[in-house]
Amino acid sequence: GDQVEQSPSALSLHEGTGSALRCNFTTTMRAVQWFRKNSRGSLINLFYLASGTKENGRLKSAFDSKERYSTLHIRDAQLEDSGTYFCAADSGGNYKPTFGKGTSLVVHP
Amino acid sequence: EAAVTQSPRNKVAVTGGKVTLSCNQTNNHNNMYWYRQDTGHGLRLIHYSYGAGSTEKGDIPDGYKASRPSQENFSLILELATPSQTSVYFCASGGGTGERLFFGHGTKLSVL
Repeated sequence: GDQVEQSPSALSLHEGTGSALRCNFTTTMRAVQWFRKNSRGSLINLFYLASGTKENGRLKSAFDSKERYSTLHIRDAQLEDSGTYFCAADSGGNYKPTFGKGTSLVVHP
Repeated sequence: EAAVTQSPRNKVAVTGGKVTLSCNQTNNHNNMYWYRQDTGHGLRLIHYSYGAGSTEKGDIPDGYKASRPSQENFSLILELATPSQTSVYFCASGGGTGERLFFGHGTKLSVL
């Protein structure tokens, strides 16, 4: 089965609200990264975490290797946050990041 | 910011033809990767490389070859393209210990 299970697959938010995306891992991961695919098709690296939490503006991410999950919190969502969000994680050694299937986020007025 | 450049941006190929997708990175990363992205599948790893002269099979290598002639360049080769290889292909560099992955803009390939 998939090593990286991402949820939800789709999410709709009103402007100004917030929510959390989650990735569960079936094995112990060394590090996790979060990406946003924007309307132009570019993959933007949002976070790299080997442990703990990181925050950047309205985005905050956490990674718990022992409990095998990572989260991405979005607060005060804006229209430009719309896009598809992916997490990717690798179990170390051979540095092969495996991606989740993505969360399609739509922020509407 | 790491720079990863893919070419071409769009490609239409015929079934049975040969297709080469090129990728260049200017950040001196050792690791480079080729993924394809299809609706419902996320990004799936085709081939990757640890440095010049090295290529490794990813999770879905069948029908693809890779070439890493230098630190900067990593190519993906479809010797006999098939319609099932219609997809968006992304190249990335980085991914080593403590390294973020940086992606190119993607190549949209249509095999007719």
